[in-house]
Amino acid sequence: EAGVAQSPRYKIIEKRQSVAFWCNPISGHATLYWYQQILGQGPKLLIQFQNNGVVDDSQLPKDRFSAERLKGVDSTLKIQPAKLEDSAVYLCASSLETGKYFGPGTRLTVT
Amino acid sequence: GIQVEQSPPDLILQEGANSTLRCNFSDSVNNLQWFHQNPWGQLINLFYIPSGTKQNGRLSATTVATERYSLLYISSSQTTDSGVYFCAVGVTGGGNKLTFGTGTQLKVEL
Repeated sequence: EAGVAQSPRYKIIEKRQSVAFWCNPISGHATLYWYQQILGQGPKLLIQFQNNGVVDDSQLPKDRFSAERLKGVDSTLKIQPAKLEDSAVYLCASSLETGKYFGPGTRLTVT
Repeated sequence: GIQVEQSPPDLILQEGANSTLRCNFSDSVNNLQWFHQNPWGQLINLFYIPSGTKQNGRLSATTVATERYSLLYISSSQTTDSGVYFCAVGVTGGGNKLTFGTGTQLKVEL
């Protein structure tokens, strides 16, 4: 069974630029999550989708972050404009019922 | 929101040693998972264990939900066990949202 796929794996941008990350969940997993993991901390949920609907985006900084999952399968997370404090690993995860499965993450560095 | 505390924050073991990692949480949970984040950043699901005891090879976990803690046991540790171990919990009505602890950084040396 293929795991959660993410791209790119690494991205370096300057502050105020925009960036987009892509995630393809495990086939058949209806629930998709985006997490932000700052160095030295545990992952923090940004947004949760159930199929193509948003279940929880309470911790998403909506003035600069947006995410979509138009066809209920893959998803994109965008940051525009980026700030220095956005430097982190962005993890995508999917789940069917109980256990969550994480992708390899995208390491973003904002300079 | 729910608070999740893990101990110890850092641990260094000699290969072959055993260890116990602890996760305390501040409220009733309906979901608890243990993850291992390897040195390359990949998060791997170890156990889904909101209550009871499970074992998988050299790893086992026990959650005592009524006392709001969970333990992860690592026996005969190997260098490949190095990384960060996270406990993550979910609460009723939380819509499958997991709140992660701060992790235990484990280093296994030869």
